[in-house]
Amino acid sequence: NAGVTQTPKFQVLKTGQSMTLQCAQDMNHEYMSWYRQDPGMGLRLIHYSVGAGITDQGEVPNGYNVSRSTTEDFPLRLLSAAPSQTSVYFCASSYSIGTGGPFGQYFGPGTRLTVT
Amino acid sequence: AQKVTQAQTEISVVEKEDVTLDCVYETRDTTYYLFWYKQPPSGELVFLIRRNSFDEQNEISGRYSWNFQKSTSSFNFTITASQVVDSAVYFCALSPQGGSEKLVFGKGTKLTVNP
Repeated sequence: NAGVTQTPKFQVLKTGQSMTLQCAQDMNHEYMSWYRQDPGMGLRLIHYSVGAGITDQGEVPNGYNVSRSTTEDFPLRLLSAAPSQTSVYFCASSYSIGTGGPFGQYFGPGTRLTVT
Repeated sequence: AQKVTQAQTEISVVEKEDVTLDCVYETRDTTYYLFWYKQPPSGELVFLIRRNSFDEQNEISGRYSWNFQKSTSSFNFTITASQVVDSAVYFCALSPQGGSEKLVFGKGTKLTVNP
């Protein structure tokens, strides 16, 4: 199992450009999420999905779009990049064991994005 | 609203000292889950432990131990006989039942273990 993979590892964008951060998992997890990590802020949830075709907003969704057409993939789109979106982005996946609650999230290696 | 507070921003210890990282949480849910993650300098997030709200037993794994106290809404993490390799940022996180897709993280505690 590759686990959770993210591409690219690093990216530099100019203000106003758009791009898609890719995330894929091969563990057949139902749930997938995107977080951003900023210095001194911990990780904050951007968007999440509880299954193919179902997405919802997290704490900091503005400026980002997601879609979930397959169980495996959960891309994050930056519509018009701004310097405030300079951050490290983590994708995560997880599943719940029946009604037993969350098993735990598996995180990808992260994408370091700089917007100039 | 759910909230996780890690009041210690940075801690510095000398190797072999014991160190406790504090985590205080707020939630109105009766069922919830608590996690600790480690982020070493290489940047990846490493899952350490998950504990549900009905299980207040302390847990020990090697040099790591966790103390969960519902009465004080705390889930503290102790490293015994710290080592340089323990240097990392440690995050405490909270998740509602069935909500493993949306963890709420504390801001993290940066632990530096000096030789």
